[in-house]
Amino acid sequence: DADVTQTPRNRITKTGKRIMLECSQTKGHDRMYWYRQDPGLGLRLIYYSFDVKDINKGEISDGYSVSRQAQAKFSLSLESAIPNQTALYFCATSTGPSYEQYFGPGTRLTVT
Amino acid sequence: AQKVTQAQTEISVVEKEDVTLDCVYETRDTTYYLFWYKQPPSGELVFLIRRNSFDEQNEISGRYSWNFQKSTSSFNFTITASQVVDSAVYFCALREFTGTASKLTFGTGTRLQVML
Repeated sequence: DADVTQTPRNRITKTGKRIMLECSQTKGHDRMYWYRQDPGLGLRLIYYSFDVKDINKGEISDGYSVSRQAQAKFSLSLESAIPNQTALYFCATSTGPSYEQYFGPGTRLTVT
Repeated sequence: AQKVTQAQTEISVVEKEDVTLDCVYETRDTTYYLFWYKQPPSGELVFLIRRNSFDEQNEISGRYSWNFQKSTSSFNFTITASQVVDSAVYFCALREFTGTASKLTFGTGTRLQVML
């Protein structure tokens, strides 16, 4: 079984809709992250969390919110989706700031 | 601000050729970490290697090798005797030790196509 899972894997939604992407991990890591990937831009950090009580904005947090429901679960919400949020979204985990991050399989989101 | 540059957008090679993917980084920190990730066509991101700024030894893992040179701020990745399964997008990333905690800055990636 995958250590980091994301649901859904694909989603098509309409402008203005609220949508939640979920991430679960069995690696026992405290740190969790949400990134988005756009063609030609690499990955950019949206939010990150060091533990259940800690949430931090990344470089492109506008239009997004997150919830850390448990050590193993970190959800990303788009309150009112817009077309330029169409992207591939990745969740990642790590044991610490200096260590590699392990990524989920990604969620491909299309906003029409 | 930290920055990672992968100037090669796409590289095509014939199977069994050697290929080097370039990564140049910018940072003000003396302590930092560098990473390489592979993204095959299936889309997942696979961790390949982590290197800290105090360890300039080159590393070899099977057909993969990495050359870290602080003098030129480069962390290049070489695949020896490439195979079709090496076809993927490869990302270089930099983690500074200060500033925005846990921020991993990615390059824009190099797409490698290995042809028969």
